[in-house]
Amino acid sequence: GENVEQHPSTLSVQEGDSAVIKCTYSDSASNYFPWYKQELGKRPQLIIDIRSNVGEKKDQRIAVTLNKTAKHFSLHITETQPEDSAVYFCAADGGATNKLIFGTGTLLAVQP
Amino acid sequence: DGGITQSPKYLFRKEGQNVTLSCEQNLNHDAMYWYRQDPGQGLRLIYYSQIVNDFQKGDIAEGYSVSREKKESFPLTVTSAQKNPTAFYLCASSIDQSTEAFFGQGTRLTVV
Repeated sequence: GENVEQHPSTLSVQEGDSAVIKCTYSDSASNYFPWYKQELGKRPQLIIDIRSNVGEKKDQRIAVTLNKTAKHFSLHITETQPEDSAVYFCAADGGATNKLIFGTGTLLAVQP
Repeated sequence: DGGITQSPKYLFRKEGQNVTLSCEQNLNHDAMYWYRQDPGQGLRLIYYSQIVNDFQKGDIAEGYSVSREKKESFPLTVTSAQKNPTAFYLCASSIDQSTEAFFGQGTRLTVV
């Protein structure tokens, strides 16, 4: 069935450095790839998303890239700040199945 | 709070008892989802519904049941057949699987 793999599971960076989180998906019919941020004790919230007709999308310090041929997409956070510390989840829609499948999450720690 | 409400926030259940978690949304969304969140395992899909009176099993449906009698409501029943029910449960809704999903604040279920 559909599957989304996410790496790394934990990531520690110094404040001001960049962070990259990578995901791969299995369903070639997937067209929608959102990223969610979950702060401690809070609900996941969408931070950026990309659709299959676009290769890259940026929003201030965050960007997402998509390689449909290789079936992988990545989240890039530049100039990291302590408030970026959270768990980040990638996801992919299930193509024809109407599912929304999430990766296993990445715990990002930004050290001041 | 995003128009999607889960209740209760904390729930304790004795072994062998069924329990129902509530999820209500006033966003006029057609799609609703139930996820289970365990440490290191991300968000795993239990059940999803794309339209009222219709729902499908996700990846870990065994021991759970749902109903979708109203567009606004998607309750999840954790039955005694679920072998390891202690977890954090998140409900989400969206227009469809290719648009932003909004999450409830979650219900933490503990079996005692």
